[in-house]
Amino acid sequence: AQSVTQLDSQVPVFEEAPVELRCNYSSSVSVYLFWYVQYPNQGLQLLLKYLSGSTLVKGINGFEAEFNKSQTSFHLRKPSVHISDTAEYFCAAFSFGNEKLTFGTGTRLTIIP
Amino acid sequence: NAGVMQNPRHLVRRRGQEARLRCSPMKGHSHVYWYRQLPEEGLKFMVYLQKENIIDESGMPKERFSAEFPKEGPSILRIQQVVRGDSAAYFCASSPQRGRNTGELFFGEGSRLTVL
Repeated sequence: AQSVTQLDSQVPVFEEAPVELRCNYSSSVSVYLFWYVQYPNQGLQLLLKYLSGSTLVKGINGFEAEFNKSQTSFHLRKPSVHISDTAEYFCAAFSFGNEKLTFGTGTRLTIIP
Repeated sequence: NAGVMQNPRHLVRRRGQEARLRCSPMKGHSHVYWYRQLPEEGLKFMVYLQKENIIDESGMPKERFSAEFPKEGPSILRIQQVVRGDSAAYFCASSPQRGRNTGELFFGEGSRLTVL
């Protein structure tokens, strides 16, 4: 079975500080990995995705994530956060055979001025 | 706007009434997914449909919930005899046909159901 774990439910960070949001997955087959962002009362927007190739993936709004197969992780990072980054961030995994995107429980990022 | 369209955005129902949520996928997309987001929780998969076919409904509650994606028109998620626990945001997402499916889903803005 496929599962996605986001250990941190809430992460407060000072403005302009770096941030890392953790994501671990488990799957018996190869997976595609995604990070989505949800702003208050809105739908989900794709931040970035890993399908294959380079393990360091760059996304929108200055975010990046690194796929680590040995640690089954796909942590999201940003070197300097902005107030506008305040949102809920969801990690997700997709595998063929399962044919659906499985989400983690989300991490609420709060930026402190 | 060629994005995923959901309506209504907000829906209020009294216990025992029916709720119908609609979703029009992105142009060119033939796969539709429904997810439910409960307060303070992540997104839970409900059902995966293609035109006129339910592919995977493993996340659907056994009673009161049903979904369809007819040959013509939007996909509909129907909840009969709603209860307070059905209050949630329901998100629809779409993806291209299977041969080009990378797993990336395109989400609508969601339909927020409140049951009084």
